[in-house]
Amino acid sequence: QVQLKESGPGLVQPSQTLSLTCTVSGLSLTSNSVSWIRQPPGKGLEWMGVIWSNGGTDYNSAIKSRLSISRDTSKSQVFLKMNSLQTEDTAMYFCARTGSSGFDYWGQGVMVTVSS
Amino acid sequence: DIQMTQTPSSMPASLGERVTISCRASQGISNYLNWYQQKPDGTIKPLIYYTSNLQSGVPSRFSGSGSGTDYSLTISSLEPEDFAMYYCQQYDSSPWTFGGGTKLELK
Repeated sequence: QVQLKESGPGLVQPSQTLSLTCTVSGLSLTSNSVSWIRQPPGKGLEWMGVIWSNGGTDYNSAIKSRLSISRDTSKSQVFLKMNSLQTEDTAMYFCARTGSSGFDYWGQGVMVTVSS
Repeated sequence: DIQMTQTPSSMPASLGERVTISCRASQGISNYLNWYQQKPDGTIKPLIYYTSNLQSGVPSRFSGSGSGTDYSLTISSLEPEDFAMYYCQQYDSSPWTFGGGTKLELK
């Protein structure tokens, strides 16, 4: 069955770069698109960006200058890199399969705290 | 960016009750509207896509409707597992945006 699992450091220092990995199983990244979505503690959801099945990307304009999404199809992994982290980037980060029926499979999320 | 406004932000309700959550977009979104459920442990489950289509495995007590800027999610008879947070999300235009959420609480 389709599964997505996020991984990465739980703690990042301010001004540093966040690197997260989404490992997928049960689907091929060459025919499926994956988004990153985040949720600050006690707040709502924010779509960050998507890597399409053809390898193209789209980003939320609010964070576009700091964000990069890439993938390794042979390893079934999608990567998120975001630089210049601030405390307001503290959040649960989710990856989700993205298609015509929306975000139809989600990972469990990984909590990232930005603190010195 | 399209702003999504959900009402109410919280809703006390009883088992067996019929409830409706509303979602209003700041501009027309041509039915490109999805609904998600988030449980207290953080798990997110997709419920409805393109306004009214149930995701696989979602019980038929859930339904969605709407058009233009106004959309709604209805649960016909609340079950214990339905007490959770609910979010609407538009995908008419980038950036895709979510509503602020509605917390469905046991009365």
